[in-house]
Amino acid sequence: QSVLTQAPSVSGAPGERVTISCSGSRSNIGAGYEVHWYQQVPGRAPKLLIYGNSNRPSGVPDRFSGSRSGTSASLAIAGLQAEDEADYYCQSYDSSLNGLYLFGSGTKVTVL
Amino acid sequence: EVQLVQSGGEMKKPGESLKISCKGSGYTFSNYYIVWVRQRPGKGLEWVGSIYPSDSDAKYSPSFQGRVTMSVDRSVSTAYLKWDSLTASDTATYYCARRVELDYWGQGSLVTVSS
Repeated sequence: QSVLTQAPSVSGAPGERVTISCSGSRSNIGAGYEVHWYQQVPGRAPKLLIYGNSNRPSGVPDRFSGSRSGTSASLAIAGLQAEDEADYYCQSYDSSLNGLYLFGSGTKVTVL
Repeated sequence: EVQLVQSGGEMKKPGESLKISCKGSGYTFSNYYIVWVRQRPGKGLEWVGSIYPSDSDAKYSPSFQGRVTMSVDRSVSTAYLKWDSLTASDTATYYCARRVELDYWGQGSLVTVSS
């Protein structure tokens, strides 16, 4: 189902900065539709991390930031911490699928 | 406090029917979309569909169209996801969430289909 492509995994040492990319197309991210990001710790429900490309809900640390450019979006985690080890998913609307929303394929972040 | 509380896990046999629920509280239930998301064991998130409680307008992902039915009961602030005939491939955790931004999530309902 996913037409939003993410790298399967990224890793970094504590304190480092990692970036997760979400590659789309002209029918979703490239058309200007908003991108949202979620964090899922194993065994738990996902949690909204970034909404509307770059906005953090209340309670989300400012170490997390989002951006969008062209047909891609990115999530950056600065000052990586052990508790950031989780799966991360992007999500956006796609106009080619009869008004559907899609998730990215997901990226596993490992803290070394 | 906004909360979405889902019904418990279910074990079913192929061909059986099932209806799981998602009860919203702490906000005006009718005013916000409810979205259903599937996650198969060890896999990623999949968008099942969305329903607007105010008018029960439902939109399904093509992969799920005709396979499941979404509904709401505004009197008890509850959304439902129903199967008429389960198959093993329906084995997954199903989450409900609020709004297309998915700002609040239920805890998930594990559905296991096995003979």
